[in-house]
Amino acid sequence: SQQGEEDPQALSIQEGENATMNCSYKTSINNLQWYRQNSGRGLVHLILIRSNEREKHSGRLRVTLDTSKKSSSLLITASRAADTASYFCATVKHGSSNTGKLIFGQGTTLQVKP
Amino acid sequence: DVKVTQSSRYLVKRTGEKVFLECVQDMDHENMFWYRQDPGLGLRLIYFSYDVKMKEKGDIPEGYSVSREKKERFSLILESASTNQTSMYLCASYDRERDTQYFGPGTRLTVL
Repeated sequence: SQQGEEDPQALSIQEGENATMNCSYKTSINNLQWYRQNSGRGLVHLILIRSNEREKHSGRLRVTLDTSKKSSSLLITASRAADTASYFCATVKHGSSNTGKLIFGQGTTLQVKP
Repeated sequence: DVKVTQSSRYLVKRTGEKVFLECVQDMDHENMFWYRQDPGLGLRLIYFSYDVKMKEKGDIPEGYSVSREKKERFSLILESASTNQTSMYLCASYDRERDTQYFGPGTRLTVL
C-alpha cells in the first residue's frame, strides 16, 4: 500500500533555481527517506531523516520533517540540468525498521531546463 | 560501494513463458526486495526475503514466486508470463546499519 504522496507530481524549472518537493504520509514513522531515479534506472538513496530530527542537509539538498503534520519537504538549491529525475519519498513504518520495508510515494518528476 | 546487479536491462518474452529475473548483491545483506514500477502506480512490493530460503509476500505477489538459495542472490519467477506483467522490475538490498535500500538498475520486461 502506498503511504506517501508527493506534491507536485511534476515540476519544471530553469537551471539555477531552487526546487521544492513535498511529501505527506499517514502513519507514525521511524524515519523518512528521499530517493532519486534517473529515467529508466534504479533508485538511488539521497538522504534519511529520523523522526526526532526536524531538518537535515547534504550538499545542495535540504530536507525538513514535520511529524505533527506528517509531512516532509526536499529542497534542491541552485538546480542543475543533471538534477532532472524523479524524486520519491519513502517511509519506514514505526516498528518496522529492522525489516527495511519501505513505503514509497508516487514521486515528483523534476525537469531542470538548461 | 554496495553493488546490486540485475541479470538483464531489457527482456522480451511471450505470454505463457516462464521468466526468471535474477538479482545479486555483494554486501552480505540479509534482506532483499522485488518491486514492480508502473506509471501512476509508483513502486509496489512483490516479495521480500529476510534470509536464505525465507520469504514474505508483499502487496502484489499474485502471479509471482521467488527463490533465495544463496544469500547474495534473490530471484523473481513469473511462472506463466502474462501481458499485464509488462513492467519495470526493480530489486533492492537492505543495509541494516544505514537503514537504506540499494537498488539495482532495473529490468524492463515486455510480455507479448
